[in-house]
Amino acid sequence: SYELTQPPSVSVSPGQTASITCSGDKLGDKFVSWYQQKPGQSPVAVIYQDRKRPSGIPERFSGSNSGNTATLTISGTQGMDEADYYCQAWDSSAAFFGTGTKVTVL
Amino acid sequence: QVQLQQSGPGLVKPSQTLSLTCAISGDSVSSNSSAWNWIRQSPSRGLEWLGRTYYRSKWYNNYAVSVKSRVTINPDTSKNQFSLQLTSVTPEDTAVYYCSMGTGTYLDYWGQGVLVTVSS
Repeated sequence: SYELTQPPSVSVSPGQTASITCSGDKLGDKFVSWYQQKPGQSPVAVIYQDRKRPSGIPERFSGSNSGNTATLTISGTQGMDEADYYCQAWDSSAAFFGTGTKVTVL
Repeated sequence: QVQLQQSGPGLVKPSQTLSLTCAISGDSVSSNSSAWNWIRQSPSRGLEWLGRTYYRSKWYNNYAVSVKSRVTINPDTSKNQFSLQLTSVTPEDTAVYYCSMGTGTYLDYWGQGVLVTVSS
């Protein structure tokens, strides 16, 4: 089993930058995806292959991955970005999700 | 645009088999570039990937170690859908179950999710 650890919560003021980390053994050797999930909804990918954005995802979402840590950055955070965020990576043909981070926009 | 429509019972008795189906529109279950996944979510376990099926000149399956002895994911090419079967369920299998299409390393499209409760 491959473990991915995230902080339980992150708080950010509107317009500021939120950073969410995801830690795993040699995570930098794998591709990381990030998913946004709002209450009662299915997850939506906001970053794939560490730093690429799917069509329709705003430019304020960016990602990086190196060493044992991947980071999702939300620049100019808006109220609509308040949600749970999960990282995900593949290991030995199995997908693993992070523990999840609740982003609160205060 | 791919759409995934899930169906199946919302209540299953302990020790019985949980069965769900995911109907695909906008793509083919036999696509050589897509993979068809099942994921579940519960407060205690978070998001948990259960397995996938995909076609690359022949059919392949991968399953999570945690459920490998109990899970089967099958394609149905005649109906362009895929299914999940989880045997010998317990209350710990209570969760929202999602189907999802993956291309490359991420999960592009998700079904609407179905809450399955295991209870007598």
